[in-house]
Amino acid sequence: DSGVTQTPKHLITATGQRVTLRCSPRSGDLSVYWYQQSLDQGLQFLIQYYNGEERAKGNILERFSAQQFPDLHSELNLSSLELGDSALYFCASSADTPPYEQYFGPGTRLTVT
Amino acid sequence: DAKTTQPTSMDCAEGRAANLPCNHSTISGNEYVYWYRQIHSQGPQYIIHGLKNNETNEMASLIITEDRKSSTLILPHATLRDTAVYYCIVRGRNTDKLIFGTGTRLQVFP
Repeated sequence: DSGVTQTPKHLITATGQRVTLRCSPRSGDLSVYWYQQSLDQGLQFLIQYYNGEERAKGNILERFSAQQFPDLHSELNLSSLELGDSALYFCASSADTPPYEQYFGPGTRLTVT
Repeated sequence: DAKTTQPTSMDCAEGRAANLPCNHSTISGNEYVYWYRQIHSQGPQYIIHGLKNNETNEMASLIITEDRKSSTLILPHATLRDTAVYYCIVRGRNTDKLIFGTGTRLQVFP
């Protein structure tokens, strides 16, 4: 158990819909990261938040957005969903000191039909 | 971040040591080597990291060559539960994101 929790575990929705994925980091970790893992793209970094502020952006689509709340949990919002958005979405958190090893949650499996 | 090269797949007999190599010839002086693994579709699991010296923890050992251009992750007594994809990642001290390659698929057989 990494200490990072994600909900829901599975999500099935239709094209064009909007969903919200939730992540609670390990106790004390200020950084939260979101990654997407699809069959053809592997694990890809989407976005990072640090103590409520966006810190780094990766290959995140404009239809996707995220935020980190004062209690440090984070949400990833996916809108206008397409079939290609079907993937595993992982959240990770890390401590505030080097070497910043990341601990991953169990993921949310999103299926867009 | 430096690019890493790993074999696509490896096999190992249960109880034997699994030695997983990684080449990172363009690594720079302040970059760490991290190893993660992903069992089936679970979240990646942190294993170990190192900068220059060899490192050991309860899961594995990490051997880094003197020129730091390659490293080897050693699972001393592989079990069936070690079957997973192993990722070698090089990351700078101030670069927070992890860049995953294709990794090595390790199959441990009875």
